[in-house]
Amino acid sequence: SQQGEEDPQALSIQEGENATMNCSYKTSINNLQWYRQNSGRGLVHLILIRSNEREKHSGRLRVTLDTSKKSSSLLITASRAADTASYFCATNLIQGAQKLVFGQGTRLTINP
Amino acid sequence: DVKVTQSSRYLVKRTGEKVFLECVQDMDHENMFWYRQDPGLGLRLIYFSYDVKMKEKGDIPEGYSVSREKKERFSLILESASTNQTSMYLCASSIRVTGITEAFFGQGTRLTVV
Repeated sequence: SQQGEEDPQALSIQEGENATMNCSYKTSINNLQWYRQNSGRGLVHLILIRSNEREKHSGRLRVTLDTSKKSSSLLITASRAADTASYFCATNLIQGAQKLVFGQGTRLTINP
Repeated sequence: DVKVTQSSRYLVKRTGEKVFLECVQDMDHENMFWYRQDPGLGLRLIYFSYDVKMKEKGDIPEGYSVSREKKERFSLILESASTNQTSMYLCASSIRVTGITEAFFGQGTRLTVV
């Protein structure tokens, strides 16, 4: 069964705007990760946040984690056309610690 | 840089054929994974392996088997391909630590079963 659910399923914004994607999960985690997938390609790791962390930054990316609500958000600031892709959250569960469970993804389109 | 290589980008097979999808990684990672990706369903784990000759079922193992005879290679086998196995297949690898770190993905194999 799927652990994570991303919201929204699709997002379309203008270049330069900020994009926010959300992820909810069901069971306790070691960490939560975000990945990007360009059309028809493999996934690329963006950022990892551990269960004892609340916020993490990497360049234009900001990830938050609220373990009490079992949710995470990915913020991309000052979006660019090259950010157009699908974004997935993946949870590493405490039970089954060698697996990553992915959500269904958010399709982000940046309009020039 | 870590490289995960899948043997084919595109594959067309006939119903009933035995199909092998190969994946090789060059970073001595213990963990290797096979996912399938379908529109609206995201990535679903088929099988994973945390060591040579070790394997564990994922969420959708039916109709698939795997082989890991060498650390760098993880093969996915469709015993008798069916049209509902038409999908994008993604292989990944990662270091084995307590609590998984980032996974590195191959470019994907788009399999069509006719």
